[in-house]
Amino acid sequence: KQEVTQIPAALSVPEGENLVLNCSFTDSAIYNLQWFRQDPGKGLTSLLLIQSSQREQTSGRLNASLDKSSGRSTLYIAASQPGDSATYLCAPFGGNNRLAFGKGNQVVVIP
Amino acid sequence: DTEVTQTPKHLVMGMTNKKSLKCEQHMGHRAMYWYKQKAKKPPELMFVYSYEKLSINESVPSRFSPECPNSSLLNLHLHALQPEDSALYLCASSQDTIGRTSSYEQYFGPGTRLTVT
Repeated sequence: KQEVTQIPAALSVPEGENLVLNCSFTDSAIYNLQWFRQDPGKGLTSLLLIQSSQREQTSGRLNASLDKSSGRSTLYIAASQPGDSATYLCAPFGGNNRLAFGKGNQVVVIP
Repeated sequence: DTEVTQTPKHLVMGMTNKKSLKCEQHMGHRAMYWYKQKAKKPPELMFVYSYEKLSINESVPSRFSPECPNSSLLNLHLHALQPEDSALYLCASSQDTIGRTSSYEQYFGPGTRLTVT
């Protein structure tokens, strides 16, 4: 069974700092990995999808890297803003045709 | 348009009631999902429909009954729920269930907040 760990569980940073969110997973036989954002009580918003053949994916201030062989992905958010405050979820998709979710990185950006 | 819609936004029901949650997408996706999410926890997969056929049932109690009337609609029928079933119910869709295709990505709706009294 795929186990996903996200570190740190929670972090607070001042506005303007770069954010680094880490995700590790135990089964490297994945097809892709998605990063999601979730605001309290809301649904999940897909931020980035990285295919297993890719090393990184970028969208605006977001950059996600994937090292499939070592079971790691990192989400970088440049120049953080208060609007980036949310929980970020990492979810690899594997051969069992399921997303496996981590418990999330809860981020607070302080103005 | 990458939108998945869910109705209602909030639902309060008694343990003897029957209610339904509805999910809709118009992206031409052929896979649709129901998840349950408790507070401070990640989403848990309940059901997967692929081409309108149930392909995954994660041993969900029979008081939850999914239905996929067509490729755009997904319902979750609720009957005789327990207070511990109170949660955020999320619907998602993807082009299909095969993760190795280059365009696979799951899109989630805003959820239905269910409270069972």
